[in-house]
Amino acid sequence: SQQGEEDPQALSIQEGENATMNCSYKTSINNLQWYRQNSGRGLVHLILIRSNEREKHSGRLRVTLDTSKKSSSLLITASRAADTASYFCATDPGAQKLVFGQGTRLTINP
Amino acid sequence: SAVISQKPSRDICQRGTSLTIQCQVDSQVTMMFWYRQQPGQSLTLIATANQGSEATYESGFVIDKFPISRPNLTFSTLTVSNMSPEDSSIYLCSVERVDEQFFGPGTRLTVL
Repeated sequence: SQQGEEDPQALSIQEGENATMNCSYKTSINNLQWYRQNSGRGLVHLILIRSNEREKHSGRLRVTLDTSKKSSSLLITASRAADTASYFCATDPGAQKLVFGQGTRLTINP
Repeated sequence: SAVISQKPSRDICQRGTSLTIQCQVDSQVTMMFWYRQQPGQSLTLIATANQGSEATYESGFVIDKFPISRPNLTFSTLTVSNMSPEDSSIYLCSVERVDEQFFGPGTRLTVL
């Protein structure tokens, strides 16, 4: 069964606004990774945050991890039309096997 | 990161037939992973492929349906056997580099 749950399932915002997506999981993890997928194509790796990290930045992306609450968030600042995609969190509970959340469909309106 | 290619990128197949998907990585890796993404769904791990040993399958997936080969450290194949419309999905291979897992572009399979 899927370990990750993502919230919201769909998000529609205006270009320039910030987008926040949340991910919750059930068991302890080694790390958590966020991916982007455009129109059912391959997954693009965005960022990895380890279990001993609380926050990480990469360009317009900010990821937080709260292991006590078993949750993570992905913030995209100053959104652009090109950010329209599905975003997935994936947890690594061990043995390098990723367990994916259901994903958030993000739509950026011009 | 890792450069991963898959062939074919998409295919339309008749039920009862089989399709073999190839995955090529730009450098040697110990483990390769095969995932399935059913329409509108998230990704589910099918199996882990190690070079020189049999693949390890996740619950709900069996070798007879999804045989995997791993002849060397840069290449793997996944076969979808005796296909039915329920096998229509995107199939993706992935590899790990320094804890980060990178994915190929996927193979979009439609079974009629």
